[in-house]
Amino acid sequence: EVQLQQSGAELVKPGASVKLSCKTSGYTFSNYYMSWLKQMPGQNIEWIGNIYGGNGGTGYNQKFKGKATLTVDKSSSTAYMDLSSLTSEDSAVYFCAREAGFFDYWGQGVMVTVSS
Amino acid sequence: DIQMTQSLASLSASLEEIVTITCQASQDIGNWLAWYQQKPGKSPQLLIHSATSLADGIPSRFSGSRSGTQYSLKISRLQVEDTGIYYCLQRYSNPRTFGGGTKLELK
Repeated sequence: EVQLQQSGAELVKPGASVKLSCKTSGYTFSNYYMSWLKQMPGQNIEWIGNIYGGNGGTGYNQKFKGKATLTVDKSSSTAYMDLSSLTSEDSAVYFCAREAGFFDYWGQGVMVTVSS
Repeated sequence: DIQMTQSLASLSASLEEIVTITCQASQDIGNWLAWYQQKPGKSPQLLIHSATSLADGIPSRFSGSRSGTQYSLKISRLQVEDTGIYYCLQRYSNPRTFGGGTKLELK
């Protein structure tokens, strides 16, 4: 069974950084891309970027370049996203989602709250 | 960026009714379109991919169609568990973009 397990909710101060994780199981991690997505409360879903599990190759939405950095650890089948210089506009739920053409499996989402 | 427009922000329908949700792409995206259902506090679930293909485990009352750059999701007989927000997604080009969502409620 394919599973994507995301790390827990984060409360971070403005200007700080946070690293989110997405631990996978049930499939060959290195054969798929992993995408990260953002959903602000009551709002649309935005695609942040993706990373290939095999070689760590990345693609970013221009809007999130400089904000998000995607990495992988093949040994633990885990994808990571670093978010830097956080502001209130970064408060949102962040999802990881496996790409098999489309986003077929999703993590449960993690709430990031930026507040002093 | 390709804009995906779901003109109806919300929709109310009765049990067993036929429901159609539409999504308009700002340019040709071929069949690179998917539909998702999202329930409160949950992650989106893939319903339809490649514009017309039913995802694994999704009931056959869901179907997708395409006419040019307009895409439709049809629920043939609305059930209680079909309430939620429905999003379209294009993956023809980066950045992948979603429609604004259509909230489906029971009348």
